[in-house]
Amino acid sequence: NAGVTQTPKFRVLKTGQSMTLLCAQDMNHEYMYWYRQDPGMGLRLIHYSVGEGTTAKGEVPDGYNVSRLKKQNFLLGLESAAPSQTSVYFCASSPWNEQFFGPGTRLTVL
Amino acid sequence: AQKITQTQPGMFVQEKEAVTLDCTYDTSDQSYGLFWYKQPSSGEMIFLIYQGSYDEQNATEGRYSLNFQKARKSANLVISASQLGDSAMYFCAMRPSVNQFYFGTGTSLTVIP
Repeated sequence: NAGVTQTPKFRVLKTGQSMTLLCAQDMNHEYMYWYRQDPGMGLRLIHYSVGEGTTAKGEVPDGYNVSRLKKQNFLLGLESAAPSQTSVYFCASSPWNEQFFGPGTRLTVL
Repeated sequence: AQKITQTQPGMFVQEKEAVTLDCTYDTSDQSYGLFWYKQPSSGEMIFLIYQGSYDEQNATEGRYSLNFQKARKSANLVISASQLGDSAMYFCAMRPSVNQFYFGTGTSLTVIP
């Protein structure tokens, strides 16, 4: 099992560009999450999903959109990137309690 | 309000000594889970230990134990016999009855040889 994978691992964008981060899990978990991690602020929840076809907003959803068309995939989109979105993005999946994290994506917006 | 508080930005411990990392939480839910994660300098998030709100015994996983004091709403992580490889960021997290996890801001632990 690959667990939770994230694509890409690194990305540099210019302000205003768009991109999609892909999270994939092969553990058949219902719940999936997108977080951002910034220095001194821990992990903050952006969006999450409780099952295929569902999404919900977390603590910091502005500027991001998500989709969960297939149970194993959870996509995070930035429609118009801003420097404030420079961060490390983590995806996680969960059967209910314990979360399994992906390796993270380091995004820089210039 | 759901909140996790870690008040120790940085901690130092001598190798082979024990160390306690503090975590307090706030929730009005009766059912919730408490977690600790380790994040080494390589960046991945590693699950360490879990405590359910209805568990009467403190959770233990090898050298890790969770000191759960429900009335005080604290869930401190105790690492016994610290090793150099324990140097990392440690995050406390809570899952109340809703489908979200809440994380603290983390504690940076440095193990001194």
